[in-house]
Amino acid sequence: GAGVSQSPSNKVTEKGKDVELRCDPISGHTALYWYRQSLGQGLEFLIYFQGNSAPDKSGLPSDRFSAERTGGSVSTLTIQRTQQEDSAVYLCASSLDQGAYEQYFGPGTRLTVT
Amino acid sequence: AQSVSQHNHHVILSEAASLELGCNYSYGGTVNLFWYVQYPGQHLQLLLKYFSGDPLVKGIKGFEAEFIKSKFSFNLRKPSVQWSDTAEYFCAVNARNQGGKLIFGQGTELSVKP
Repeated sequence: GAGVSQSPSNKVTEKGKDVELRCDPISGHTALYWYRQSLGQGLEFLIYFQGNSAPDKSGLPSDRFSAERTGGSVSTLTIQRTQQEDSAVYLCASSLDQGAYEQYFGPGTRLTVT
Repeated sequence: AQSVSQHNHHVILSEAASLELGCNYSYGGTVNLFWYVQYPGQHLQLLLKYFSGDPLVKGIKGFEAEFIKSKFSFNLRKPSVQWSDTAEYFCAVNARNQGGKLIFGQGTELSVKP
């Protein structure tokens, strides 16, 4: 079946602009996660959604970052007033449930802030 | 805060050599443990996981890992590597009382020479 999809695959933006990154999880998966992968920081957790519970935002690096998940499915990660240090690959993952369940990762969105 | 440490940043082996990648974590509570792999140009995918029971777990492609609770370790092993094992390997920890988020190590890049 279809895996996790993300769009766009690449995004180049100017410093100070806002960007939106989209994630379509695997159908039926209740948990959705955002991570980012960058050279200096490795793979960092950003935020996750589990069912109808309040999201765990503990990994968001600043208040310029926000995310929402509509209807328990698609999620959008928004970065406002982008900075050069936001350049990274943003990965989305989903799983049937939280905890010991395998997280299935999407291909990522490569964000470059110029 | 939890952290995960992978001791080797880059490992170079010849085919048929044995592999062991170290992973240690810092967290005093109960954890689920994972190894993910990222082959060149591909998504992150699960190699194996531990959440209970036999501390020696077997994954895909002949990989195994052993959870040693007293050492807070979850080392990955393979008796004989192949060129196709060239990839980046990530150890990850999920603290069971903190929802589903994964804390990743910095990754180990494995290069296998034919």
